[in-house]
Amino acid sequence: EVQLAESGGGLVQPGGSLRLSCAASGFTFSHYEMSWIRQAPGKGLEWISLISSSGNTTYDADSVKGRFTISRDNAKNSLFLQMNSLRAEDTAVYYCAFGGGFGYWGQGTLVTVSS
Amino acid sequence: QLILTQSPSVSASLGASVKFTCTLSSGYNNYPIAWHQQQPEKGPRFLMKLNTDGSLTKGDGIPDRFSGSGSGAERYLNISSLQSEDEADYYCQTWGTGIRVFGGGTKLTVL
Repeated sequence: EVQLAESGGGLVQPGGSLRLSCAASGFTFSHYEMSWIRQAPGKGLEWISLISSSGNTTYDADSVKGRFTISRDNAKNSLFLQMNSLRAEDTAVYYCAFGGGFGYWGQGTLVTVSS
Repeated sequence: QLILTQSPSVSASLGASVKFTCTLSSGYNNYPIAWHQQQPEKGPRFLMKLNTDGSLTKGDGIPDRFSGSGSGAERYLNISSLQSEDEADYYCQTWGTGIRVFGGGTKLTVL
């Protein structure tokens, strides 16, 4: 059974940092590109970051470029998102997903940026 | 630029059928599409993907009432025999090298 479990969310002040994790199981993690997607309160889904299966190549949406860094540990079937210089508009539920069409979703982790 | 356009809302009666449209931006007609459902206060759920060869792959447990198709730059999600639990937001999504894109979503109200 495929499982994606996001963790690491919480309340952080503007300008602060947070590191999200995604524990993956039930599929061959090292074979797939991985993404982070977020959903701000009352808004739609927004893809923000993608990493190649090897971890050598990353792509970011303009909204997070230069502030967020995606990484992975294939030995531990884990995906990460280091979020720096957080802003109020980064408040959202963050999801991890794999492949092109995202066939499975986790429960997400809530990040709240507020003073 | 790769953009997906969806109507903001649609309504239909219980037991009726409804069709969602997702339009790919000019020059991107040959991209695959996935459809996701998000019921109120829940996370997204994968419904199906329409591949570039026209084949359809449905998610686990997705009933036959849900189907997909495409023509040119448009991709469609059809739901027949509408039930109350179908009331949700529906997002189309596409992907290519180094990019993933979501449409703005369509809110379905079941009357």
